[in-house]
Amino acid sequence: QQQVKQSPQSLIVQKGGISIINCAYENTAFDYFPWYQQFPGKGPALLIAIRPDVSEKKEGRFTISFNKSAKQFSLHIMDSQPGDSATYFCAASKGGYSTLTFGKGTMLLVSP
Amino acid sequence: DAGITQSPRHKVTETGTPVTLRCHQTENHRYMYWYRQDPGHGLRLIHYSYGVKDTDKGEVSDGYSVSRSKTEDFLLTLESATSSQTSVYFCAIGTGDGGGNEQFFGPGTRLTVL
Repeated sequence: QQQVKQSPQSLIVQKGGISIINCAYENTAFDYFPWYQQFPGKGPALLIAIRPDVSEKKEGRFTISFNKSAKQFSLHIMDSQPGDSATYFCAASKGGYSTLTFGKGTMLLVSP
Repeated sequence: DAGITQSPRHKVTETGTPVTLRCHQTENHRYMYWYRQDPGHGLRLIHYSYGVKDTDKGEVSDGYSVSRSKTEDFLLTLESATSSQTSVYFCAIGTGDGGGNEQFFGPGTRLTVL
C-alpha cells in the first residue's frame, strides 16, 4: 500500500518557469511533510517542510502548499533554474521521531 | 552531510557472501535509519534504531540485520547477499527538530551483487 503518491514522475520546465510537484497521502495521522532534493550521486537533502497548522510555507523560491481536507501537498519552485535540476521526494510522518514514508520521486529538468 | 559518513562508498560482491555497511555520525543523535533507493521505488526504510541496542524493522527488512553497539555507529548487514539487494543504501539521522522528524542523509553506498 503506497501511502504517499507523488506526481509527475518526471518534469521538464523552461528556465524562469514554475515547477510544480504534487503529493497525496492517505494516513490522516500524518502531521509532518518534508520535501527532499537529491542530485545525482548524492544523498537526499532536506529542502523545506510543513506542518498542517499552516496552508503555505515559503523559503526563497521554494513554496509548499498544503490542503488538509484534500490530503494533498505540493512543492512550487518559482523562477526555476538549471541548477534546480534534480530529483525531488515528498515524504510524510506522524511527527516526533516517527518514521518517514517517501513518495517515489520526481525527476526535474530545467532547460536553459 | 550533517556529520554522517558511510563506508564503503562502493562495493561489488558475489551472491551468497555476507556484507556489512557502516554508518558513522559525529553529532550524537539517538535516531538512525537505513534506507535503500531503487529506480521507481524511491526511498524505502530497511531498519532503524532509537538508541544503543534498540532497533526495529522497516518496510523492507527481509534479508537484512542491523546492530548498534555505540551511539555513533549503525551497521547494516546483508546476511547472504542476493542480486535483488543491488541498490544504493543511505543512512540517515533523525533530529526530531522542526516539529517533525527532520532527517539528514549520508552520501550513500552503491552496492552491486553479482
